[in-house]
Amino acid sequence: KAGVTQTPRYLIKTRGQQVTLSCSPISGHRSVSWYQQTPGQGLQFLFEYFSETQRNKGNFPGRFSGRQFSNSRSEMNVSTLELGDSALYLCASSLGGELGNYEQYFGPGTRLTVT
Amino acid sequence: DAKTTQPNSMESNEEEPVHLPCNHSTISGTDYIHWYRQLPSQGPEYVIHGLTSNVNNRMASLAIAEDRKSSTLILHRATLRDAAVYYCILRDAYGGATNKLIFGTGTLLAVQP
Repeated sequence: KAGVTQTPRYLIKTRGQQVTLSCSPISGHRSVSWYQQTPGQGLQFLFEYFSETQRNKGNFPGRFSGRQFSNSRSEMNVSTLELGDSALYLCASSLGGELGNYEQYFGPGTRLTVT
Repeated sequence: DAKTTQPNSMESNEEEPVHLPCNHSTISGTDYIHWYRQLPSQGPEYVIHGLTSNVNNRMASLAIAEDRKSSTLILHRATLRDAAVYYCILRDAYGGATNKLIFGTGTLLAVQP
């Protein structure tokens, strides 16, 4: 089975711009979660989508948003970029389900640099 | 969410066993203990999880204390490829329909040849 893929792998943007990152989960996985990783804050949960619905959200400002499509692929968007948004953005997929608690499979991440 | 405490870093020699400890004194009865690791320049990967009994898989073993207030991830023969940050995470089996993971700072494992 192909693993989780994320595109693009690297991105450089300017303050004030917006960016869209894409994630393709493992075939058959219906849950997609997004995480931000920075040296200062470590790995932090952004949000989770299951069957096209957001079912959990982390403590991030409204500039961070996401969506999931009917084929389970997901995108996250960050508007009005700030220097502090520079980070590795990781996507994880899992089977999901009613009780959650499934093992998660992470992609390689998208490295976003904001200048 | 219950908290875990891990040493910041550990060192091991190649081909020797490694015991990575995790304290979780406020664990609840329905919390599973999960371990993930993150190799350099990669996303985290699932290692193992358990509830009460010790668990083994092809990657590692998980030893859980009888009172469940601590656990130990055991790598039986460390290789250079095992150098990574290891995260111990508690997940409530009845915490609702969510796959959210709360990562701590983890343990940075260095493996010497």
